[in-house]
Amino acid sequence: QQQVKQSPQSLIVQKGGISIINCAYENTAFDYFPWYQQFPGKGPALLIAIRPDVSEKKEGRFTISFNKSAKQFSLHIMDSQPGDSATYFCAASSVGNFNKFYFGSGTKLNVKP
Amino acid sequence: DTAVSQTPKYLVTQMGNDKSIKCEQNLGHDTMYWYKQDSKKFLKIMFSYNNKELIINETVPNRFSPKSPDKAHLNLHINSLELGDSAVYFCASSPSLTGRVLFFGSGTQLSVL
Repeated sequence: QQQVKQSPQSLIVQKGGISIINCAYENTAFDYFPWYQQFPGKGPALLIAIRPDVSEKKEGRFTISFNKSAKQFSLHIMDSQPGDSATYFCAASSVGNFNKFYFGSGTKLNVKP
Repeated sequence: DTAVSQTPKYLVTQMGNDKSIKCEQNLGHDTMYWYKQDSKKFLKIMFSYNNKELIINETVPNRFSPKSPDKAHLNLHINSLELGDSAVYFCASSPSLTGRVLFFGSGTQLSVL
């Protein structure tokens, strides 16, 4: 079964708008939640990550919001730009599990100029 | 100076053939992985190696056999290819089993006809 559920599958946002992608998990042993960005023809690359001891982490225009009680986390892209158009994956892993990551199904973001 | 490089980028072959994908990383990492990305973009781990030792072996058919001649290389050999093997295969590496960050190659798109 899918350990990390991601929505929406696709997202269209106007330039300058806010893009929001949501993920949910069930396994309370997860202790690390990264987001990866993948451009066409490339491999995923780490964008930003959070641990469950904080509720928010911000790096530039990218913010992760984390709700431990709801077992949900989300990626917010502020002032979205056409260059942000890519597929975004959330993921989760737990310490001691040999660095095994469970990925969400991906969100294809299209930022319109 | 590519960090994680895999060859070939594209592989088109007939059902029943045997093929190999090669991966090399120059990051000095101890741990390497093979991930499979299906047509719906879902990323799933197949294998991981740490210093040439097999660590993770997901429920992958025996037709898939990884080999790690040294910690900088991880190859994937696939016997008796089937239509369902068509996917993008990503090699990745991390500093260690607890590294928590994955560095992906650009992928090998395998098409089985």
